[in-house]
Amino acid sequence: DIQMTQSPASLSASLGETVTIECRASEDIYNGLAWYQQKPGKSPQLLIYNANSLHTGVPSRFSGSGSGTQYSLKINSLQSEDVASYFCQQYYNYPNTFGAGTKLELK
Amino acid sequence: EVQLVESGGGLVQPGRSMKLSCAASGFTFNNYDMAWVCQAPKKGLEWVATISYDGSSTYYRDSVKGRFTISRDNAKSTLYLQMDSLRSEDTATYYCARLSFWYFDFWGPGTMVTVSS
Repeated sequence: DIQMTQSPASLSASLGETVTIECRASEDIYNGLAWYQQKPGKSPQLLIYNANSLHTGVPSRFSGSGSGTQYSLKINSLQSEDVASYFCQQYYNYPNTFGAGTKLELK
Repeated sequence: EVQLVESGGGLVQPGRSMKLSCAASGFTFNNYDMAWVCQAPKKGLEWVATISYDGSSTYYRDSVKGRFTISRDNAKSTLYLQMDSLRSEDTATYYCARLSFWYFDFWGPGTMVTVSS
């Protein structure tokens, strides 16, 4: 199985700040990567697919980038509603696998 | 509006069975592959099983092969997960999710399954 290593495990940032979350795959996943946001007590919601495509309705302050084994999620101008856990998922190879998650809190 | 609503969770003893359901609405159910994804308490996400749009193909994670069965009724727009021989490590919230290619574009709110004596 492809291992997804996500960092950092937790992150504290101020309103208006830009934050970046990283995900490293154990082998090349050829942009087969999605990012999800999970607010406390809620189900995950798709943010980004194909490494850099924004899902319908997701604010443009979210963006994804990367290639090969290294990918990142960037949140520009952090808002209070962005407090959540974020997970990456590779779907290039079976079985699809998730990163362990990054918990984002406000400073 | 796409809606997925799971039901059927609860407390079950080890070794017993439980069947989860997921009622879908707001989209053409029989056009989409569907999946179950679980999340143990305070833990990350794990894909459990996938079924093709017409039910002809199914896929499972190794730890549930031979114990869990994913199925669907396209006439009722409903997805199922039959879970047999349940173990304590199956304790989790189970989410029904719609697949777009191989990522999950919509999720239900989840149903909690607790396996304990």
